[in-house]
Amino acid sequence: EAQVTQNPRYLITVTGKKLTVTCSQNMNHEYMSWYRQDPGLGLRQIYYSMNVEVTDKGDVPEGYKVSRKEKRNFPLILESPSPNQTSLYFCASSGWGPTNEKLFFGSGTQLSVL
Amino acid sequence: GIQVEQSPPDLILQEGANSTLRCNFSDSVNNLQWFHQNPWGQLINLFYIPSGTKQNGRLSATTVATERYSLLYISSSQTTDSGVYFCAVERTGGGNKLTFGTGTQLKVEL
Repeated sequence: EAQVTQNPRYLITVTGKKLTVTCSQNMNHEYMSWYRQDPGLGLRQIYYSMNVEVTDKGDVPEGYKVSRKEKRNFPLILESPSPNQTSLYFCASSGWGPTNEKLFFGSGTQLSVL
Repeated sequence: GIQVEQSPPDLILQEGANSTLRCNFSDSVNNLQWFHQNPWGQLINLFYIPSGTKQNGRLSATTVATERYSLLYISSSQTTDSGVYFCAVERTGGGNKLTFGTGTQLKVEL
């Protein structure tokens, strides 16, 4: 089954403790992206990647890192999480990018930073 | 940046009713997509529709890019249609970056 898989589904952590949210897709997509969703603010893009070793900032990249060492994986790294990063996070992928193709989302990761 | 406004913000329907959701955007766009976020939080892509009209079962969408709006039609609504509907656009020259509207919260009641 074609899908975007995120883990974990829920995560509670404390301020300053490094964490990684994993994202994997099995559709051989070139494009992958991370979004955060907050009440009243909608979905905002954090980072995106057009290809292996190619990443670019989205609208809200501060406090986040990403890497794209393999086509299928695009982990989101919070090196020193803070409470304002409490949010619902989504990974997404698309064949050659949402300009020309549908964007598919993972199931989301609800992160709470205490 | 581009502004994306959706209306209405909230909508309550009786099962079987029809509805139209609207998405207005402030600049020319390369592409527009509609998504449904179900009550469990999952985001499902409904349409990739930079222009023209598409239909998928009880749902259809129309984008008039020259007039900067898109419409999502839901016919014979069902309780499973409940959730939040988002449109997302990519500004012309925007480089594969989608900007989302703030959504329409739909509740379909028996």
